[in-house]
Amino acid sequence: EVQLVESGGGLVKPGGSLRLSCAASGFTFNTYGMNWVRQAPGKGLEWVAVIAGSSTSIFYADSVKGRFTISRDNAKTTLYLHMNSLTVGDTGLYYCARQNALRRAAFDFWGQGTMVSVSS
Amino acid sequence: DIQMTQSPPSLSASVGDTVTITCRASQTINSNLNWYQQKPGRAPNLLIYAASLLHTGVPSRFSGSGSGTEFTLTISSLQPEDFAIYYCQQSYTPSVTFGQGTQLEIK
Repeated sequence: EVQLVESGGGLVKPGGSLRLSCAASGFTFNTYGMNWVRQAPGKGLEWVAVIAGSSTSIFYADSVKGRFTISRDNAKTTLYLHMNSLTVGDTGLYYCARQNALRRAAFDFWGQGTMVSVSS
Repeated sequence: DIQMTQSPPSLSASVGDTVTITCRASQTINSNLNWYQQKPGRAPNLLIYAASLLHTGVPSRFSGSGSGTEFTLTISSLQPEDFAIYYCQQSYTPSVTFGQGTQLEIK
């Protein structure tokens, strides 16, 4: 059974940093691209970043470029999101999601999310 | 970035109705269009990928169509569990983008 479990969220002051983790199990982790998607309270889905299975390809949304870093440890089957220079606008529920190339790169499994709150 | 525009933003319908949600892309995305359903307090779930292919376990009352820039999600014979928010997503570029969502409410 595929499982994605996020952790690391919390309350942080503007300008602060956090590292999110997503522990994956139930599939061959290093053969799938992985994404972070966030959702501000009461708002829609916003894609944040993607990393290929071998980490050779990484892309970011313009809203986080230069502040966030996505990475993965295939030996630990864990995805990370390092977030720096956080602003109030970064507040939201952060999901990790598996991207399936056999499903036209759709996100076929999602975690339950970890909440990030940025407030003074 | 490719912009995805969904309409309508919200929709009221009754159990048993058939509803259609539209998603338009700001440039051609071929058939690289996916649909998700999100219920309150839950993560999104994939319904349809590649514009018209049903994800595993998704009931056949859900269907998708379209290519290029215009796409539709149709839900036939609405069931109580279908009232949720629906999002389209383009996966034509590595920097995927989502539509703003359509909230389907019970009339």
